[in-house]
Amino acid sequence: AQKITQTQPGMFVQEKEAVTLDCTYDTSDQSYGLFWYKQPSSGEMIFLIYQGSYDEQNATEGRYSLNFQKARKSANLVISASQLGDSAMYFCAMRPGGYNKLIFGAGTRLAVHP
Amino acid sequence: SAVISQKPSRDICQRGTSLTIQCQVDSQVTMMFWYRQQPGQSLTLIATANQGSEATYESGFVIDKFPISRPNLTFSTLTVSNMSPEDSSIYLCSLGAGHSRETQYFGPGTRLLVL
Repeated sequence: AQKITQTQPGMFVQEKEAVTLDCTYDTSDQSYGLFWYKQPSSGEMIFLIYQGSYDEQNATEGRYSLNFQKARKSANLVISASQLGDSAMYFCAMRPGGYNKLIFGAGTRLAVHP
Repeated sequence: SAVISQKPSRDICQRGTSLTIQCQVDSQVTMMFWYRQQPGQSLTLIATANQGSEATYESGFVIDKFPISRPNLTFSTLTVSNMSPEDSSIYLCSLGAGHSRETQYFGPGTRLLVL
């Protein structure tokens, strides 16, 4: 079964520190994509970062990096130098091979404290 | 990146009524998706909308409750029919991405409250 698991319902971090949000996935597909989205209280889904299953390098986008460990089926998001504006819900999602739809995890609520 | 707009951005409706949500894209796309996010929950796919064909619904969602139109490659509508308070959710449209695309964008969402 295709599944995304986010085991941290809530996390908090001090401003300017780094934080890791966990994500594990389950799929039997060889080709798949992994996504992270940020959802502020406004409700919009903001795309952060993508990792393809065949990508050898970990993806990075500014302060966001994805720690991709294929053998462990994990795709953790690392946010460096946290800012107050990073406080939001964060969703990990998978796009199974051959499909365009996304399967989402339950999400992690991140609170950045000054 | 594609620009996606949704109307309305939010609405408060009475039970038993229907609401049609519009999703407009600034470029032509083959596949569009409709997701629902119930309060405090994650996103769940309702259906996939391809232009020129019937929408494909996920388990637990039916066409009579969530009819979808896809009249062209830049526009789609989702209707929430005969609403009940359980339909109170954020409804988001999303664009399909080709296998070479490394992004998948969402519209800003429609917040629906059913009284």
